[in-house]
Amino acid sequence: QSVLTQPPSASGTPGQRVTISCSGSSSNIGSNTVTWYQQLPGTAPRLLIHSNSQRPSGVPGRFSGSKSGTSASLAISGLQSEDEADYYCAAWDDTLNGPHVVFGGGTKLTVL
Amino acid sequence: QVQLQESGPGLVKPSETLSLTCTVSGGSINTYYWSWIRQPPGKGLEWIGYIYYSGSTEYNPSLKSRVTISVDTSKNQFSLKLISVTAADTAVYYCGRGANHGSWFDPWGQGTLVTVSS
Repeated sequence: QSVLTQPPSASGTPGQRVTISCSGSSSNIGSNTVTWYQQLPGTAPRLLIHSNSQRPSGVPGRFSGSKSGTSASLAISGLQSEDEADYYCAAWDDTLNGPHVVFGGGTKLTVL
Repeated sequence: QVQLQESGPGLVKPSETLSLTCTVSGGSINTYYWSWIRQPPGKGLEWIGYIYYSGSTEYNPSLKSRVTISVDTSKNQFSLKLISVTAADTAVYYCGRGANHGSWFDPWGQGTLVTVSS
């Protein structure tokens, strides 16, 4: 059971816009920034979005992130076949039993 | 550009200690925070902990009693020790560069699969 909640799967056709949600609580998303990762099969995760909505250099503008309260979203516009991957959200959690990084369970994106 | 490479045994016996090292190249380990993250086969990501070059650490509460992360600045390396392993510790172990109380990691190492089995 992951601390951050993501839908296990999402899908879309090429060119479509897809959003993936990430739900948390006041101790994590509600008080810290959200990060998104993309993991292609058999590879290490790749930083996609940091600080809720900032794209590192090299990440296409089709990827965007947002945060509101204790939830966050990743949007992918102009969906492409190479976007088929697992997507994870993450946040720092200021929990009383010890602050640490928490991840969502991951969303498998299928491009139909 | 900074690159990270994990190294260590791919097979560990139950109840023994898992030991891995991450070598940082292309940059100094004397900045940023250096993390270990793992991913059991077919499952999601779990943060294990991080270390600063000064030796300051933070661990995941769920693993804290079994984990030690250390740093060797002379070798630009940091290491993970996980004691009393069980089959549940079988995972791909990644090292990554990050920030204090942050959830971003970039870059990541390629990962190394550690299997716990007799």
